Amino acid sequence: TQLLEQSPQFLSIQEGENLTVYCNSSSVFSSLQWYRQEPGEGPVLLVTVVTGGEVKKLKRLTFQFGDARKDSSLHITAAQPGDTGLYLCAGAGAGNQFYFGTGTSLTVIP
Amino acid sequence: NAGVTQTPKFQVLKTGQSMTLQCAQDMNHEYMSWYRQDPGMGLRLIHYSVGAGITDQGEVPNGYNVSRSTTEDFPLRLLSAAPSQTSVYFCASKRQGKQYFGPGTRLTVT
Repeated sequence: TQLLEQSPQFLSIQEGENLTVYCNSSSVFSSLQWYRQEPGEGPVLLVTVVTGGEVKKLKRLTFQFGDARKDSSLHITAAQPGDTGLYLCAGAGAGNQFYFGTGTSLTVIP
Repeated sequence: NAGVTQTPKFQVLKTGQSMTLQCAQDMNHEYMSWYRQDPGMGLRLIHYSVGAGITDQGEVPNGYNVSRSTTEDFPLRLLSAAPSQTSVYFCASKRQGKQYFGPGTRLTVT
């Protein structure tokens, strides 16, 4: 059962543009994480959000957790080629399990 | 610290063969897990362990076995490989909500 849907699935933009990636679910999560994965490597944790409505910033990346803790967004300002990768959201459910989203593949063209 | 290590990096099996994917971590984390990653599906949890001697099933456990005899090691066994098990497998350990992933094993079953 896929509990988290991400959109868009693929995104190709020019360097300097802004973008937003969405992570949506009908389930409530106690926390939500965002990862970035590069080809041939495992995912690397970017951020964890815990409180509904929480906003966290990591340099040019802004993460928001929905008020109802069912959805989240990732906004990148002035994208750079180094931002290229697969972005994954993951919600913490019952029993120590994390449920991953379908992923958004981002390509930033120089 | 090496973090989370996985071997082998690549593996090709014939249908019906068995094999063990190795995973080790040197961070003394109690929680370890195995995921598989398929295109358009994100990562799906296979099995997890909250400590030595304790394992539990995740979202897609059928066809896989695990054991946890030490804190450091968490091998994943394929009992009788099937083409549907062609995937990229990731091992992860977790501490205080932060997951650390290994580099993955790309498995092809013909």
